[in-house]
Amino acid sequence: AQSVTQLDSHVSVSEGTPVLLRCNYSSSYSPSLFWYVQHPNKGLQLLLKYTSAATLVKGINGFEAEFKKSETSFHLTKPSAHMSDAAEYFCVVTSYSSASKIIFGSGTRLSIRP
Amino acid sequence: NAGVTQTPKFQVLKTGQSMTLQCAQDMNHEYMSWYRQDPGMGLRLIHYSVGAGITDQGEVPNGYNVSRSTTEDFPLRLLSAAPSQTSVYFCASSYSTFGVSISGNTIYFGEGSWLTVV
Repeated sequence: AQSVTQLDSHVSVSEGTPVLLRCNYSSSYSPSLFWYVQHPNKGLQLLLKYTSAATLVKGINGFEAEFKKSETSFHLTKPSAHMSDAAEYFCVVTSYSSASKIIFGSGTRLSIRP
Repeated sequence: NAGVTQTPKFQVLKTGQSMTLQCAQDMNHEYMSWYRQDPGMGLRLIHYSVGAGITDQGEVPNGYNVSRSTTEDFPLRLLSAAPSQTSVYFCASSYSTFGVSISGNTIYFGEGSWLTVV
């Protein structure tokens, strides 16, 4: 069975400071992991994905995430937050199994303080 | 490159009315799915399809019907709308390998459909 837990429903940081959005997963098979971003009243945009290649994955807009199998984690980071990063972020898992389902985390709302 | 196209973007329904949310993709993806997004609950899977003629239930299928007569289209039908179905609906598609697995393949989303049932 697959599951995704986003550990924080809301994260608030000051502009220019680092961002950390936490995601833990559970999967019976080798997982593929994604981070998607959703700006207010918009659709979902892919930030980055991990598919069993390099464990440190770089995405768009300066975001990156590290796959840590021992910790079953896939945390999203950015060295310096920008006001435009304010959005909802979703961690997503799929796995190589016949279930072929996409499992979403409950989302983390990122707020940026001026 | 249209990607995943959802219509309508906004809709207001009266309780008991029926309607269909349309979803079409032009990427020849076999895998398509519908989600609803509610505050604090992320996206929950309603129905999904791994190919034309094949559909299956997700986490919250009650009150919704789907069909997949072509690879491109995956409409979602609300049979008798209820206020509890007020939500934002997203259609998604992905390329699948070995006929089933979508592992590692990017998931593409539509822009969303905002539905209000009064």
